[in-house]
Amino acid sequence: QQQVKQSPQSLIVQKGGIPIINCAYENTAFDYFPWYQQFPGKGPALLIAIRPDVSEKKEGRFTISFNKSAKQFSLHIMDSQPGDSATYFCAASMGSGAGSYQLTFGKGTKLSVIP
Amino acid sequence: ETGVTQSPTHLIKTRGQQVTLRCSSQSGHNTVSWYQQALGQGPQFIFQYYREEENGRGNFPPRFSGLQFPNYSSELNVNALELDDSALYLCASSLAALTDTQYFGPGTRLTVL
Repeated sequence: QQQVKQSPQSLIVQKGGIPIINCAYENTAFDYFPWYQQFPGKGPALLIAIRPDVSEKKEGRFTISFNKSAKQFSLHIMDSQPGDSATYFCAASMGSGAGSYQLTFGKGTKLSVIP
Repeated sequence: ETGVTQSPTHLIKTRGQQVTLRCSSQSGHNTVSWYQQALGQGPQFIFQYYREEENGRGNFPPRFSGLQFPNYSSELNVNALELDDSALYLCASSLAALTDTQYFGPGTRLTVL
């Protein structure tokens, strides 16, 4: 059972465009939603995260939009650059006991930003 | 402040062998989680260690086991390796009770032949 569904699988945008990556979750107990960026051969790096009590969060060129009723959240990358070309993962977790915030990941979106 | 480190970087084993992967958590972090990332997939949670005790486990068989040491570093052990165990193994550390933010290491690429 895939608890976090991510789309699209791949995305190509021109430099300066605004790629949007979408995720949907099933478990309403999830209360923490991070996005990670991963370059080939590297571990995932945390970009930005949101909790269900807010509908939007911005950090630099990255924005998360969150729709609790629809159980969906999305990542927008403003003024995208070729250096943003990477695989992006959404994830979700819930606290369940001391230190147990296991992340459930989507399958990833490979973003290519064309100069 | 050093980040999460993992060793070795790459490893090649044959089916049926055993392997041990190591992780040093970020300074001050007392919780370590292990994930398996198959090629082209998102990471999957294996288990988590908090203050040297297993604190949550994903859908992985018992031949996947781990340890956490008093300095909060950790090991992942896999026995009776199978071809499907070939993957990138990621370690993530966090400061439990204050944040659920997890910081990942670069991973160990395991190839099982």
